[in-house]
Amino acid sequence: AQSVTQPDIHITVSEGASLELRCNYSYGATPYLFWYVQSPGQGLQLLLKYFSGDTLVQGIKGFEAEFKRSQSSFNLRKPSVHWSDAAEYFCAVGDFGNEKLTFGTGTRLTIIP
Amino acid sequence: DTGVSQNPRHKITKRGQNVTFRCDPISEHNRLYWYRQTLGQGPEFLTYFQNEAQLEKSRLLSDRFSAERPKGSFSTLEIQRTEQGDSAMYLCASSQVGTGNQPQHFGDGTRLSIL
Repeated sequence: AQSVTQPDIHITVSEGASLELRCNYSYGATPYLFWYVQSPGQGLQLLLKYFSGDTLVQGIKGFEAEFKRSQSSFNLRKPSVHWSDAAEYFCAVGDFGNEKLTFGTGTRLTIIP
Repeated sequence: DTGVSQNPRHKITKRGQNVTFRCDPISEHNRLYWYRQTLGQGPEFLTYFQNEAQLEKSRLLSDRFSAERPKGSFSTLEIQRTEQGDSAMYLCASSQVGTGNQPQHFGDGTRLSIL
């Protein structure tokens, strides 16, 4: 069965600093990978997705992620965080045909001035 | 594109009561998904529809849960005889399948609190 591990429950970063959120997945074939962001009391907003092709994926709000098959990882990065980036971030793997998503437990991002 | 709409946003009910939630997907999307999210966890898949057909149900979906999408547009999720453990955020998502891989777009969810 597919699974996603986000090893960092909570990360605190200074505004303007760089960010990397870790994600490791387990899936038997080439995965469909996603990063979503969730603000308190809200639904999930898609940041970026990987289906195939270029392993470095650009998303919205200045985020990018790199698919590394050898490490089963799909880490999310941003060169300079803004206070508005404070939220919960979820990595997810999609079943073939994108039928259902399996999410990690999330990483809560706090931004300090 | 008005996004995925869920109603109500919040529902408070007493244990043992029945509740029903509604989800209106993005209009041209043929797939609709339901997920449940408990505090501090990621969303967990419950079920999904392609048009009006319910194609898969998770083991999380007990007999007290039923979902419908009668005309292939909006969907309802009903929970009968609610229990404390049903307290969660219920999220709906939709996608368009058939013209290449498309991601799921989520609504803002319905938060259910059982007293």
